[in-house]
Amino acid sequence: SYVLTQPPSVSVTPGKTARLTCGGNKIGSETVNWYQHKSGQAPVLVIYFNSDRPSGIPERFSGSNSGNTATLSISRVEAGDEADYYCQVRDDNEHQIFGGGTKLTVL
Amino acid sequence: QMQLQESGPGLVKSSETLSLTCSVSGGSMSNSYWNWIRQSPGKGLEWIGYISDTGTTNYSPSLKSRLTMSVDTSKNQFSLRLRSMTAADTAVYYCARGRLEYSRSDLLGFFFGSWGQGILVTVSS
Repeated sequence: SYVLTQPPSVSVTPGKTARLTCGGNKIGSETVNWYQHKSGQAPVLVIYFNSDRPSGIPERFSGSNSGNTATLSISRVEAGDEADYYCQVRDDNEHQIFGGGTKLTVL
Repeated sequence: QMQLQESGPGLVKSSETLSLTCSVSGGSMSNSYWNWIRQSPGKGLEWIGYISDTGTTNYSPSLKSRLTMSVDTSKNQFSLRLRSMTAADTAVYYCARGRLEYSRSDLLGFFFGSWGQGILVTVSS
């Protein structure tokens, strides 16, 4: 089955840009979605179709996808962005696959 | 804004069957896929499976042999039954609305746009 690989943790200073990666075989041929998950809360869709933002998601959140890596970028990082972030794709059997998640720490 | 709410027992005994229900409000259940997703303690998100508004199901291969999902659109609810529960099934269980859509550039994608708050299910021996 399809495997998505995310680094377990990323740290960033407030005001800087965080780049969270999601690796997969030819992931550039898939459509990737990203979710923000804060402890004790429901996950929130922050990017879909690789780079589209749902209504209400700040423009600071952006996505890209090419080759074997999809990337979620968060510019001008704020303390409130601290969360776990998951990438997700749909495989050939219409099963939904999540990456292992990246814990974003704002220093 | 569509809202989802999980309900069911917070404690299940080992070898018994877990039954959860997700109540949907603020919109129609039509043209969507209704999913269950879980997160075990210290682990990431795991997709369990979905049922469409017309009753088509698709389950995770790792859980398929123990899993049954159902939908009742007249009540705006869908349900999960997971048999032969073990400690490994202890998790927060989320229900979520899935959408299969084409983007403006004709990409086909499936995403979870609305989620419930989650319900913690603990399996006891």
